[in-house]
Amino acid sequence: SQQGEEDPQALSIQEGENATMNCSYKTSINNLQWYRQNSGRGLVHLILIRSNEREKHSGRLRVTLDTSKKSSSLLITASRAADTASYFCATDGSYNTDKLIFGTGTRLQVFP
Amino acid sequence: EPEVTQTPSHQVTQMGQEVILRCVPISNHLYFYWYRQILGQKVEFLVSFYNNEISEKSEIFDDQFSVERPDGSNFTLKIRSTKLEDSAMYFCASQVTPEGANVLTFGAGSRLTVL
Repeated sequence: SQQGEEDPQALSIQEGENATMNCSYKTSINNLQWYRQNSGRGLVHLILIRSNEREKHSGRLRVTLDTSKKSSSLLITASRAADTASYFCATDGSYNTDKLIFGTGTRLQVFP
Repeated sequence: EPEVTQTPSHQVTQMGQEVILRCVPISNHLYFYWYRQILGQKVEFLVSFYNNEISEKSEIFDDQFSVERPDGSNFTLKIRSTKLEDSAMYFCASQVTPEGANVLTFGAGSRLTVL
C-alpha cells in the first residue's frame, strides 16, 4: 500500500457547495501539505499543517490533521467553478529526507 | 510573483535518444527538485539537489538520469537513452532553503513523449 491516498478519487459538486477530500498516510510525519493541480499544469501549494496542529484555515480552505488515525481532510467551502482541479496531499518523512510523498489525488469538478 | 520556468513544454523523442529538460528556479531558492507524473498516476520524487550536488534520489533515478546546474540559473535533467516508460510530465520545483518545512514551488512541467 502507498503513502498518501486520497478519497474520493473524484468529486462533482455544484457551485456554492462544500467539497471535502480526505487523505490517509502510513508513516510518521513532520507536516502535511495540500497542493492543487489544474489540468496539465504544475502543482500549487495551498496549505501546510504541522504534526502538532489539529486544524488550520486559509481563506475558504480548512485542513484538519489526525495523527492518531494518520489522516487529513481538506474542506473547500462555498466552492466556485474555478476550484475545479485535482487536489493532492503530500507528506514528508519524520526522518531526514528531502522528498515529499504525494497521494493519488482527488479530481474535483465544480459545476456552475 | 516569482515562478519556476521549464522548457520545453512538450518534447517528442524517439526511444534511445537523449533528452535534456531545463528549469530556471526562483532566483533566491537554494534547493531544487525533479518530480515526474506518469499520465493519470501519482507525482513521484526523482531527485533533490543542493549546494551543487545530489542530496537525495529515488530508485527511479538510475544511471540513465543525471542533473546539473551548469550556471547560476539553469537546473537540468538529462535522460541519456530514453525508454517508452520515461513518457511522463516532468516537474521542476524549488525551495528557499533546505531547513524547515519543504514547501515547494513547482514549474508548469515538461511533457515528454517517447515513441
